[in-house]
Amino acid sequence: EVRLVESGGGLIQPGESLRLSCAASGFTVSSNYMSWVRQAPGKGPEWVSVIDRGGSTYYADSVKGRFTISRDNSKNTLYLQMNNLRAEDTAVYYCALGVNEFDYWGQGTLVTVSS
Amino acid sequence: EIVLTQSPGTLSLSPGERATLSCRASQSFGSTYLAWYQQKPGQAPRLLISGASSRATGIPDRFSGSGSGTDFTLTISRLEPEDFAVYYCQQFGNSLYTFGQGTKLEIK
Repeated sequence: EVRLVESGGGLIQPGESLRLSCAASGFTVSSNYMSWVRQAPGKGPEWVSVIDRGGSTYYADSVKGRFTISRDNSKNTLYLQMNNLRAEDTAVYYCALGVNEFDYWGQGTLVTVSS
Repeated sequence: EIVLTQSPGTLSLSPGERATLSCRASQSFGSTYLAWYQQKPGQAPRLLISGASSRATGIPDRFSGSGSGTDFTLTISRLEPEDFAVYYCQQFGNSLYTFGQGTKLEIK
């Protein structure tokens, strides 16, 4: 059974950094496309970043240069390093599995950026 | 970047009725790359349809998708109480993903 469990969210001040984790089970992270998708309160989902099977990474313009997606194959875990956080980064962050679409989602972790 | 526009913003219907949700793209793309999701409060989105018309595992056959080019449709043939939720379309292209702004399906 595919399972995705995010962690690492919390309340953080503007300009600070945070690292999110997504522990995967039931499949191999390194053999799949893995994304981070966020959803601000009351808004629709917004794709943030993807890492493909070959390790290539892509980002939404809104986070390019500030966020970094990575994975640890030995831990079967996906990460999102978020630097220089802004108020507009406040959202529930989901990790998601899929190539053209997102077949599986985690339960999400809330990141609140506020002073 | 392809922009997806969903309509209507809110759809008010009764159980048993038919729902038709629209997703229009700012430019044409292959239907392979169009998906639909359902989201209920406090939950992650759930994949309903991939490739514009293929139901995901476990999705009831009252849900169907159609369309091509720039115009896509999600149809729920006969609404059940559990179908009232927010629906999003999503497309993939050039290593980027975009979502529509959503259609809220509410009980009339």
